[in-house]
Amino acid sequence: ILNVEQSPQSLHVQEGDSTNFTCSFPSSNFYALHWYRWETAKSPEALFVMTLNGDEKKKGRISATLNTKEGYSYLYIKGSQPEDSATYLCAFRSGNTGKLIFGQGTTLQVKP
Amino acid sequence: EPEVTQTPSHQVTQMGQEVILRCVPISNHLYFYWYRQILGQKVEFLVSFYNNEISEKSEIFDDQFSVERPDGSNFTLKIRSTKLEDSAMYFCASSNQGPRDFGPGTRLTVT
Repeated sequence: ILNVEQSPQSLHVQEGDSTNFTCSFPSSNFYALHWYRWETAKSPEALFVMTLNGDEKKKGRISATLNTKEGYSYLYIKGSQPEDSATYLCAFRSGNTGKLIFGQGTTLQVKP
Repeated sequence: EPEVTQTPSHQVTQMGQEVILRCVPISNHLYFYWYRQILGQKVEFLVSFYNNEISEKSEIFDDQFSVERPDGSNFTLKIRSTKLEDSAMYFCASSNQGPRDFGPGTRLTVT
């Protein structure tokens, strides 16, 4: 059974703090790793799709890295703002399927 | 910017009843999906649909479930005889080869 784990489960930071969280996924038969940002009552919003080992992607203050050999990805938020408060989901896609296998998410609360 | 829409936002039904959850994917997308999240659990894959047929389905997607793209714009998920354990948030998504665009979800409550 393919398993995707995220840590920590939740995180509370002060406005201006930088933060990061981890997604662990199977290191075999890797195809892609997706990151989503999900605010309550809204649609999950795609942040990144990462496919190559060593990939680094950036979108504003948010960036992500990928290590497919050891099966992990980090998501970084620089200078957190209250509007960054959301649940961040990662999802693994293996090579022989189109389905995404999700982690349980990291819920970030940024206090002003 | 185009987005995936879902109706209704919340559906309450009695056990044994049929429900149809509706989605309008992004118009130029070719791949369509249903996922669900039972409260407190991970988002889980149900089914993917391409070229007017199911391309992949999970063990959850048994004979009680069906999908249809009846008119080239809507994409529906039907649950024939709902069970208590079908209570969940159901998400529709669409894509081409890149990230999936998700709708806001339909919360299904089976009583």
